[in-house]
Amino acid sequence: GAVVSQHPSRVICKSGTSVKIECRSLDFQATTMFWYRQFPKQSLMLMATSNEGSKATYEQGVEKDKFLINHASLTLSTLTVTSAHPEDSSFYICSARPPGTGEVYGYTFGSGTRLTVV
Amino acid sequence: DAKTTQPTSMDCAEGRAANLPCNHSTISGNEYVYWYRQIHSQGPQYIIHGLKNNETNEMASLIITEDRKSSTLILPHATLRDTAVYYCIVRVRNAGNMLTFGGGTRLMVKP
Repeated sequence: GAVVSQHPSRVICKSGTSVKIECRSLDFQATTMFWYRQFPKQSLMLMATSNEGSKATYEQGVEKDKFLINHASLTLSTLTVTSAHPEDSSFYICSARPPGTGEVYGYTFGSGTRLTVV
Repeated sequence: DAKTTQPTSMDCAEGRAANLPCNHSTISGNEYVYWYRQIHSQGPQYIIHGLKNNETNEMASLIITEDRKSSTLILPHATLRDTAVYYCIVRVRNAGNMLTFGGGTRLMVKP
C-alpha cells in the first residue's frame, strides 16, 4: 500500500536553532502534501498545504516565514521550523493522498515528528 | 465538510465489541463517512468509509443510519492495541483538499 515516510521521528533542539522535517511518498507521486501540528491532548490542526513546484498555502495564523515549506519534487516535502522556541514544541504530521486508490480510501499519513525545543 | 459530533471518550473491555457513535446531521448527499484512528504518538490511520450502505472490512464495521445523519463504528473484538483516538470525518470522496479533524473519541480498551 501507499506509504508516507517522515523523518526524523523525534528531535530535540535548542531554542533559536532551525529544524528540518522531511516527508516522502515512497511508492507514489504526490503533487500535494499537507502538514499538520498536534499539541498534547488536542486534535490535528492543518498548518499548510504543500504544492509541488509552487508556493505553499498557509492556514490563518501560521507564520510562513517561521514554518518554511519546500516541495521541490513529487515525492518530497520539507518543513523547516526556523528560530524554534519552546512553544513550537509539538507533534508534526504530514499526509498525502495517493492517486488511484487514494481517491477511494483517502489519505495516508506519516508517522509524525515529535519536536522538543529546549 | 459536514460537521461531526463524537463523544469525548469511551471505555471498552478487552474482547468485547466497541461501538463508537458519530452524529453528522448536516451531511450532504454526496458526502461519505470516513473513520480514522490515531494511536498515541503515531500518524492517523484509515479504518473504513461508507456512503449509505453498511460496510465491513478486516478492521471494523460501519453502520450508517437510513437517514445518514449518524453512524457507528464497530470494533467487534477490541484488543488493548485498539486503544486510540477515533475520528469520524464526513467529506466528498474525491475532494483533493485536506482532511479536517474534530476532537474524536478517545477509546480506552481495558483488560
